[in-house]
Amino acid sequence: AQSVAQPEDQVNVAEGNPLTVKCTYSVSGNPYLFWYVQYPNRGLQFLLKYITGDNLVKGSYGFEAEFNKSQTSFHLKKPSALVSDSALYFCAVTTPSNTGKLIFGQGTTLQVKP
Amino acid sequence: DAGVIQSPRHEVTEMGQEVTLRCKPISGHNSLFWYRQTMMRGLELLIYFNNNVPIDDSGMPEDRFSAKMPNASFSTLKIQPSEPRDSAVYFCASSLAPGEFGDTQYFGPGTRLTVL
Repeated sequence: AQSVAQPEDQVNVAEGNPLTVKCTYSVSGNPYLFWYVQYPNRGLQFLLKYITGDNLVKGSYGFEAEFNKSQTSFHLKKPSALVSDSALYFCAVTTPSNTGKLIFGQGTTLQVKP
Repeated sequence: DAGVIQSPRHEVTEMGQEVTLRCKPISGHNSLFWYRQTMMRGLELLIYFNNNVPIDDSGMPEDRFSAKMPNASFSTLKIQPSEPRDSAVYFCASSLAPGEFGDTQYFGPGTRLTVL
């Protein structure tokens, strides 16, 4: 069965510092990996995805993520956090054989303090 | 681009009543997904349509739930009869290509359903 783990319920970081939100996955076959962000009372906004190719993926708002096949990880990173980055972040995975069904992690709340 | 449109944004109803949630996908998108978000279970896929045809409904919790997509620009999720445990935020998402190709799913703002 496919699964996604986000081991941290909350990540706290000071504005201007680098941030990392962790994600590991378990699938059979090649993964398609996604990061979404959810602001309060809003839908999910797409940040970035890995399908194939370069392991370092760059996305919206200065975020990037690195696909690591050996560690089955897809951690989200940003060099310099902003207070406005504070939100709930979801990692998700699917595979070509899974009819597009996205399996989501439980989410990580990012709190950036001024 | 209007994005995915959902209505209503909030719905409060009493147990036993019928509830209908509506979704308009992004124009030109061929795949549509209904998700449910709860604190206990997180985000879970309920049903997935491709070219208006249901492809995977394994996530539909029980017969009280039904979904239709009569045309490329409209889908409904119906709960009849509703129960308090159905209280959740229901999201609709659409993608240009079928999910098997890893195409990005774009989410609507959600419908917050409260069943009293």
